[in-house]
Amino acid sequence: EDKVVQSPLSLVVHEGDTVTLNCSYEVTNFRSLLWYKQEKKAPTFLFMLTSSGIEKKSGRLSSILDKKELSSILNITATQTGDSAIYLCAVEVYNNNDMRFGAGTRLTVKP
Amino acid sequence: EPEVTQTPSHQVTQMGQEVILRCVPISNHLYFYWYRQILGQKVEFLVSFYNNEISEKSEIFDDQFSVERPDGSNFTLKIRSTKLEDSAMYFCASRAVAGANVLTFGAGSRLTVL
Repeated sequence: EDKVVQSPLSLVVHEGDTVTLNCSYEVTNFRSLLWYKQEKKAPTFLFMLTSSGIEKKSGRLSSILDKKELSSILNITATQTGDSAIYLCAVEVYNNNDMRFGAGTRLTVKP
Repeated sequence: EPEVTQTPSHQVTQMGQEVILRCVPISNHLYFYWYRQILGQKVEFLVSFYNNEISEKSEIFDDQFSVERPDGSNFTLKIRSTKLEDSAMYFCASRAVAGANVLTFGAGSRLTVL
């Protein structure tokens, strides 16, 4: 059975801290891994990763995929209170139309 | 920016009642999805829909659930006889082509079954 596991489940930091969120997966026919940010309602897209070792960056957020380790990390530097959210990792496989989500990491950034 | 629109934003219903949740996907998208998120739990896949038929469904999507695209714009999720455990946030999502594009999610419909 396909599995997507995120860690930690919950994280509390202070503004300015750097955080690293982890996602590991066990799937057959891996196609891509996506990170989403969920604040109050709909998950919003952050990154899609298909190739190992290539860092994707957007402002203070960056992410990288390691296909050998079957994992990805999402880094947030100089965190702000607006980064408080649930960060979801999802994996797509070939020949399958859905996305499998991990349980998410709830990040709380305190002032 | 194009968005996925869902209605209602919140529905309260009695156990055993039928519920229809509505979604208007992004207009040039071809693949449509319903996901569910029970409060405090993970986002779970329910069903995907392409070319006017279900392409995949999860074990959650039993005979109580159905989906329909009654016209060119709406995509609906019907729950025939709601149970308490159907209480959740239901997200509709769409994308242009399979795999190559990310899913765009709607804001969700919160269903509360009493």
